[in-house]
Amino acid sequence: TQLLEQSPQFLSIQEGENLTVYCNSSSVFSSLQWYRQEPGEGPVLLVTVVTGGEVKKLKRLTFQFGDARKDSSLHITAAQPGDTGLYLCAMRGATNKLIFGTGTLLAVQP
Amino acid sequence: ETGVTQTPRHLVMGMTNKKSLKCEQHLGHNAMYWYKQSAKKPLELMFVYSLEERVENNSVPSRFSPECPNSSHLFLHLHTLQPEDSALYLCASSQAFGENTGELFFGEGSRLTVL
Repeated sequence: TQLLEQSPQFLSIQEGENLTVYCNSSSVFSSLQWYRQEPGEGPVLLVTVVTGGEVKKLKRLTFQFGDARKDSSLHITAAQPGDTGLYLCAMRGATNKLIFGTGTLLAVQP
Repeated sequence: ETGVTQTPRHLVMGMTNKKSLKCEQHLGHNAMYWYKQSAKKPLELMFVYSLEERVENNSVPSRFSPECPNSSHLFLHLHTLQPEDSALYLCASSQAFGENTGELFFGEGSRLTVL
């Protein structure tokens, strides 16, 4: 069974701080996506990465795909209250099914 | 109308009730999904329909019965549920099923409480 572990599970920080969340798999994956789910909403796609070592930036968010295609990280610079939400990574493996991680719940205090 | 809409947003039902969740997508997509989101658990894929044909059924109990009458509508019929079935049920759609980089578009979810 393919598993995606995310860490930390919960993170509460002050506005303006930087943070990194991690997504680790026991298997190699062909692509990885990051979604953000705000309270009372469904998840929304932030980015898709497909190449080992790939780095993508989305304003203050930086996504990195590990060289071995088994891990990924999301770094947020100068976090804002609007960044609050549940961050989910999701991978496609050998079966091409989309498997979601356990999630990191981020709270940014003003 | 935009994106994926789900109704009702909140549902409370007894264990002997029969109810249905409805999902509608206005994106012209060919694949639709039901996911279950419980506290402290990863999103669990329940069912996938591609071009109105069920292509995935992940060992979901028979008290959950999906229906896809056309490519824009998806239902989840609920019957004799258990309290542990209380969760947020998310509907999603995608352009096609199984694309390596395909994006899922989610609805806002139906919060189900079983008493």
